[in-house]
Amino acid sequence: AQTVTQSQPEMSVQEAETVTLSCTYDTSESDYYLFWYKQPPSRQMILVIRQEAYKQQNATENRFSVNFQKAAKSFSLKISDSQLGDAAMYFCAYRSAFAGTASKLTFGTGTRLQVTL
Amino acid sequence: NAGVMQNPRHLVRRRGQEARLRCSPMKGHSHVYWYRQLPEEGLKFMVYLQKENIIDESGMPKERFSAEFPKEGPSILRIQQVVRGDSAAYFCASSNRGDPNQPQHFGDGTRLSIL
Repeated sequence: AQTVTQSQPEMSVQEAETVTLSCTYDTSESDYYLFWYKQPPSRQMILVIRQEAYKQQNATENRFSVNFQKAAKSFSLKISDSQLGDAAMYFCAYRSAFAGTASKLTFGTGTRLQVTL
Repeated sequence: NAGVMQNPRHLVRRRGQEARLRCSPMKGHSHVYWYRQLPEEGLKFMVYLQKENIIDESGMPKERFSAEFPKEGPSILRIQQVVRGDSAAYFCASSNRGDPNQPQHFGDGTRLSIL
């Protein structure tokens, strides 16, 4: 079974600064997808960024980028130019590339990000 | 609103009652996933359904919990004889196919409180 570990329960960053959230995972599969979701106080689950394991290039979405290290099974999220609206819980998630019973997402326990002035 | 719709947003039940949580997937989506989020934890997979079929229920508790996704109407997550430990946020997600390349779109969740 796959597991996802987020070792930082809480992080804090000043507005306009950069912060990196860590995520490691364990799997015996070679093909899979990794995700970062944001959950603000409203509890919506918002997809921030997605990475396909077969792609070596790190995914980027505006101020959000990832550092994907497949051999180390590491998938960190970097938020540049942090904004107050970035304050939320961030969840790392894994999904097998094989359809059917493996379609579920496996989530980490989350990192609460505070953004200060 | 063409997104995933969950209702009710909040549900309060007394111990021993039944709870029914509804999820209407995005238009055109025929695959539904239910997740549970206990306080201060991440989401945990419960069940994956396609219209009229349960594909994967490996995350469902063995007793009191059931799910369905009928040909017509929303998907229902049913919890019988609720206990305090069932208090959680329950999220539904949908996709238009079961293949992992298709993103799952989440609803806003139902917060279940057991008195």
